Amino acid sequence: DIQMTQSPSSLSASVGDRVTITCRASQGIRNDLGWYQQKPGKAPKRLIYAASSLQSGVPSRFSGSGSGTEFTLTISSLQPEDFATYYCLQHYSNPRTFGQGTKVEIK
Amino acid sequence: EVQVWESGGGLVQPGGSLRLSCAASGFRFSNYAMNWVRQAPGKGLEWVSGISDSGGTTYYADSVKGRFTISRDNSKNTLYLQMKSLRAEDTAVYYCAKADYNDLFDYWGQGTLVTVSP
Repeated sequence: DIQMTQSPSSLSASVGDRVTITCRASQGIRNDLGWYQQKPGKAPKRLIYAASSLQSGVPSRFSGSGSGTEFTLTISSLQPEDFATYYCLQHYSNPRTFGQGTKVEIK
Repeated sequence: EVQVWESGGGLVQPGGSLRLSCAASGFRFSNYAMNWVRQAPGKGLEWVSGISDSGGTTYYADSVKGRFTISRDNSKNTLYLQMKSLRAEDTAVYYCAKADYNDLFDYWGQGTLVTVSP
């Protein structure tokens, strides 16, 4: 099984800050990775697919990069509505595996 | 508009059974793989099971293999998850998720809560 190691597990940031979240795969997964945002009591929402493609309707302050084993999600200027938990997901092989999640909190 | 919505959750005793359903609309259901993902209270996301567009291929997490069965009825645009021998650790919100053509989850339902407790 492919393990997805996501870091940090939580972070505190201010509105306007640049935020970077990392996922590391235990083996190469090409660019078969997506990023999701989840708010309390809500379903996850896809932000990024194919590691770096922005989902339609998602603000351009979100971006993804990486390939192989190292991936990053960047929020260029954090907005109040971005405080949430973020997850990466690999779809290179079964079982599908998620990162442990990163909770972005208000400083 | 693509929509998926789950039903069938509830309270069940350990060792009991439950069947979840996921109805879909707004897309050609028979063309896409589907998945179940769960989230225990206060925890992260865990993939549970997936099924190919035709229903001919299924996948399971080790934690549910032999106890859960995924299936679909393409004539009814509905996905199912039959759960047996339920344990306390199966308590979670269960989400249905549609996969895109590259097999990455794009649309999710709002989830249905399954509570396994005496």
